[in-house]
Amino acid sequence: KAGVTQTPRYLIKTRGQQVTLSCSPISGHRSVSWYQQTPGQGLQFLFEYFSETQRNKGNFPGRFSGRQFSNSRSEMNVSTLELGDSALYLCASSLAGTQNTEAFFGQGTRLTVV
Amino acid sequence: GESVGLHLPTLSVQEGDNSIINCAYSNSASDYFIWYKQESGKGPQFIIDIRSNMDKRQGQRVTVLLNKTVKHLSLQIAATQPGDSAVYFCAENWDNYGQNFVFGPGTRLSVLP
Repeated sequence: KAGVTQTPRYLIKTRGQQVTLSCSPISGHRSVSWYQQTPGQGLQFLFEYFSETQRNKGNFPGRFSGRQFSNSRSEMNVSTLELGDSALYLCASSLAGTQNTEAFFGQGTRLTVV
Repeated sequence: GESVGLHLPTLSVQEGDNSIINCAYSNSASDYFIWYKQESGKGPQFIIDIRSNMDKRQGQRVTVLLNKTVKHLSLQIAATQPGDSAVYFCAENWDNYGQNFVFGPGTRLSVLP
C-alpha cells in the first residue's frame, strides 16, 4: 500500500513569493494534518482537514492556508513568504482523524526561502 | 537528509543496553500521548501510545510510562539496537476528535557499537 506522498520534496523560493505544497494521503484516509518543522521551534501543528473541511488550526498567521479536495488530497499555501518560513513541511494522514487513529507521515517538503 | 534539530538533547547508549527517553508535556488536560521516532530524511513514525487512564503500556521492546502528577512521559527501549538511532518525540493531544498534536522538542538517541 502506498504511503503518504508529498510533492515537491525540495523547493527554493524568494521572499515575497507564494508557494503551494501538495500531500496525497494513503488511500481511504480522510484526515490530513500539516506540520511545520524547524530546528528552533520543532514540530508545530498548522491545520487539519477532514472531509474537505478544516477541523483544527494551529497558531500560524493567515498567510498559511490549506484546502482538501474530494479525493482527500490536500494542499497548503503560504503567501508572501518570509525567511522564517524556511522549514520542513510535513503532512500526515489518518483513516478517521480521531485522536487515537494512527497518523502516517510523509517525508516532507523542504522549503528554503532566500 | 535534513537536520531535525541542531541543538537537541542527546542520549548516547551502548548497543544492547536499555534506553530511557524523557518528556515533560505541557497541558494537564491532555489525555492521549504518542511517542514518535524520526530518522534522518523521513517523517515521524508512530512507536507507541498511551491514554491518560493508564500509567504504563508495553509494546515490542518499548514501554511508555505516564506520570500525570508531574506531567511526565518516558519511553524505555530494551536492548537498544543501531537501528534505534533517531530523534524521538513525545506528542500530546486533548481533543478527542482531532489530530492536532503538540510535540515535545525531541531527544536524539545515538547507539554506540
